[in-house]
Amino acid sequence: GDSVTQMEGPVTLSEEAFLTINCTYTATGYPSLFWYVQYPGEGLQLLLKATKADDKGSNKGFEATYRKETTSFHLEKGSVQVSDSAVYFCALSLQASGSRLTFGEGTQLTVNP
Amino acid sequence: GAGVSQSPSNKVTEKGKDVELRCDPISGHTALYWYRQSLGQGLEFLIYFQGNSAPDKSGLPSDRFSAERTGGSVSTLTIQRTQQEDSAVYLCASSLGSGGPSYEQYFGPGTRLTVT
Repeated sequence: GDSVTQMEGPVTLSEEAFLTINCTYTATGYPSLFWYVQYPGEGLQLLLKATKADDKGSNKGFEATYRKETTSFHLEKGSVQVSDSAVYFCALSLQASGSRLTFGEGTQLTVNP
Repeated sequence: GAGVSQSPSNKVTEKGKDVELRCDPISGHTALYWYRQSLGQGLEFLIYFQGNSAPDKSGLPSDRFSAERTGGSVSTLTIQRTQQEDSAVYLCASSLGSGGPSYEQYFGPGTRLTVT
């Protein structure tokens, strides 16, 4: 079946450090890819998405590129802030499955001042 | 405007009791999804409604779980004879449609269910 694998967490960084959270996927069709974020005490919200190969999603300084050849969608940010502390989820959806989301395990990011 | 709302926000129940969880989607959203977030299983899909079509129940973990959506709006997830492994945060999401990735799913705050 379809699945998403994220790098093991948690991740702890100092402010202004470079962030990478790895995400790879397995899908029977041609998925759309997403990163969702869950800030402390808040609901899940969409951070960015990409719908076809080589597309780059970006938002709030975060970026991820849809790499079909490596079935990956790694999340990056050049300089993290304390306010980026949250849980990040990589996810995929397939139109054939009603666009329901299949999530990775989630990665807890803590940024220290 | 109003987002997706869920009630109750917290529910503690005794093993063996039935519970009902409610989701009010964003007005005009035709697609509605239920997910479960638990320590052992992460975030997993449960059930999906799209308009008047038959729901996709393929993610429901057992026949103790059921859901309905009345009038194409409010949805209720029912868990019968609750077990301790049902303890989790139940999330509801809605979107304008389900025909592709342009239909962003908006999530509610969740209902935290604890079975004692």
